[in-house]
Amino acid sequence: EDQVTQSPEALRLQEGESSSLNCSYTVSGLRGLFWYRQDPGKGPEFLFTLYSAGEEKEKERLKATLTKKESFLHITAPKPEDSATYLCAVQAYSGGGADGLTFGKGTHLIIQP
Amino acid sequence: GAVVSQHPSWVICKSGTSVKIECRSLDFQATTMFWYRQFPKQSLMLMATSNEGSKATYEQGVEKDKFLINHASLTLSTLTVTSAHPEDSSFYICSAKDYGKEKLFFGSGTQLSVL
Repeated sequence: EDQVTQSPEALRLQEGESSSLNCSYTVSGLRGLFWYRQDPGKGPEFLFTLYSAGEEKEKERLKATLTKKESFLHITAPKPEDSATYLCAVQAYSGGGADGLTFGKGTHLIIQP
Repeated sequence: GAVVSQHPSWVICKSGTSVKIECRSLDFQATTMFWYRQFPKQSLMLMATSNEGSKATYEQGVEKDKFLINHASLTLSTLTVTSAHPEDSSFYICSAKDYGKEKLFFGSGTQLSVL
């Protein structure tokens, strides 16, 4: 069974204080690891997809990295508007089907001005 | 970018009634759509996979007779919660896969409250 564990559950930072969010996963065969941002009462907003260990992707203040067992979402000099819940999800190979994602519980990030 | 429209955003209904939620892909054809449920402070849980023109595939523990899914066209999937009860109150989110691409796009979600 695919599993995704995110830590910490919640994180409060001062504006400009950089940090990292962790996503540990176990999956039979990783097809892709996804990061999403979710604001309260909204659906997830796509951020990144990573496919293989060593891969990195960046978007503004966010950078996602991937190893064989975990992924990190690094946030550099965050601003209050970066406050949200960040979700990690994995998609596994299943012999050709279009599979849904297995999500972690998310990290609730608060950036204080 | 691709947009997935989900309606309604919220609905309140009486116990025993049925509620239909729509999920549309606005600028791409979605051969596959997914339905998720999210309880407060919990992760999104996949309920079912909806394939255009065929029966939906339900995850273990999800009652197919209670959560009816119809994917009649390449741009529309519906989820009907039949005979809703208070324990069905949750945030329901759909997502759609653009054909030939890996990225999944999510709707804005529907908050269902059953009284």
